[in-house]
Amino acid sequence: DTGVSQNPRHKITKRGQNVTFRCDPISEHNRLYWYRQTLGQGPEFLTYFQNEAQLEKSRLLSDRFSAERPKGSFSTLEIQRTEQGDSAMYLCASSLTLGLAEETQYFGPGTRLLVL
Amino acid sequence: GDSVTQMEGPVTLSEEAFLTINCTYTATGYPSLFWYVQYPGEGLQLLLKATKADDKGSNKGFEATYRKETTSFHLEKGSVQVSDSAVYFCALRTGTASKLTFGTGTRLQVTL
Repeated sequence: DTGVSQNPRHKITKRGQNVTFRCDPISEHNRLYWYRQTLGQGPEFLTYFQNEAQLEKSRLLSDRFSAERPKGSFSTLEIQRTEQGDSAMYLCASSLTLGLAEETQYFGPGTRLLVL
Repeated sequence: GDSVTQMEGPVTLSEEAFLTINCTYTATGYPSLFWYVQYPGEGLQLLLKATKADDKGSNKGFEATYRKETTSFHLEKGSVQVSDSAVYFCALRTGTASKLTFGTGTRLQVTL
């Protein structure tokens, strides 16, 4: 399978705990995105990387959230001191972008987080 | 800011019925427009896209035309199948921005 993969697929945690999610993009895709989707809503942009550089962060990304893509391949999204409002599906997407031409974003299956 | 408005669901149709899901947008500049589909238990998949006014995107019998004058990108299919049951998201991307802005999604349920 050469699609975007995310782990874990499901995570249940207690309020105040830290959680980390991993995204493996399609091989050789240089851009990687994180979105958050709550029940009944569309995905909302959180942040994106071009190679290892984090180029944009949404205001939704509070200081409890941090994302990395250390070698320009996989990425991690960490949430510190989780709150019940963090419960959502966290989606990762990747694309191959050359110059100004933005290509299709391919999405992974998501990690569903439940904070108790 | 940019926004996308979709008709609320769920939309329930009988097999072979005609489908329209409305989508309108507000954006600065000239956005690219997309329809994504999410089948049960699966990730978002790109269904079709259009990058400039009057372009028509099409795929798997679905079509949508980029209408700049009405800021719309309505999704249509002439004859739906049970296998089309899914959630459909309209989305846009403006200028050199990379992020997608999504609507809230419309659930389609097709019955025999």
